[in-house]
Amino acid sequence: DSGVTQTPKHLITATGQRVTLRCSPRSGDLSVYWYQQSLDQGLQFLIQYYNGEERAKGNILERFSAQQFPDLHSELNLSSLELGDSALYFCASSVVSLLDTGELFFGEGSRLTVL
Amino acid sequence: AQSVTQPDIHITVSEGASLELRCNYSYGATPYLFWYVQSPGQGLQLLLKYFSGDTLVQGIKGFEAEFKRSQSSFNLRKPSVHWSDAAEYFCAVGAGGSYIPTFGRGTSLIVHP
Repeated sequence: DSGVTQTPKHLITATGQRVTLRCSPRSGDLSVYWYQQSLDQGLQFLIQYYNGEERAKGNILERFSAQQFPDLHSELNLSSLELGDSALYFCASSVVSLLDTGELFFGEGSRLTVL
Repeated sequence: AQSVTQPDIHITVSEGASLELRCNYSYGATPYLFWYVQSPGQGLQLLLKYFSGDTLVQGIKGFEAEFKRSQSSFNLRKPSVHWSDAAEYFCAVGAGGSYIPTFGRGTSLIVHP
């Protein structure tokens, strides 16, 4: 158990819909990262938040957005869903800076299926 | 930008045999290098990491990896594989200002009894 909690574990929805994925980082971790894992793209970094503020952006679509709340949990919002958005979405957390430990702690992921 | 190549999509070994998973990275300077393992239905777990210093790095579960700058490689090894090692293995490189890991496509390890 990494200490990172993601909900829901599975989600099935239709094209055009909007979903919200939730992540609670390990106790004490200030940074949250979102990754998308799909068969054709592999594991892609989407976005990082640090203590409530966006810190880095990766290959995140404009239809996707995220935020980190004062209690440090994070939500990834996916809208106008397309079939290609079907993937496993991982949240990870780290202590403060990756320069210190380099280690990300991953949750078990939220599997999104868009029909 | 940094990138990682894992040339082998699948590797099949017999239980008790030795293992080597290949990883090549592309980055101008010395990067941070990682190996993560993903068991079925689980998130990724860090096996080991290289930041600097000794180029042979020991990790958890009996794994080790060797950083070879001249070959831009960071191959993962284990002398004797157990059935429980069957999983997906990801090599990653962290570089640039944020050191956020960029992952390879992964190598699926199949262990035969």
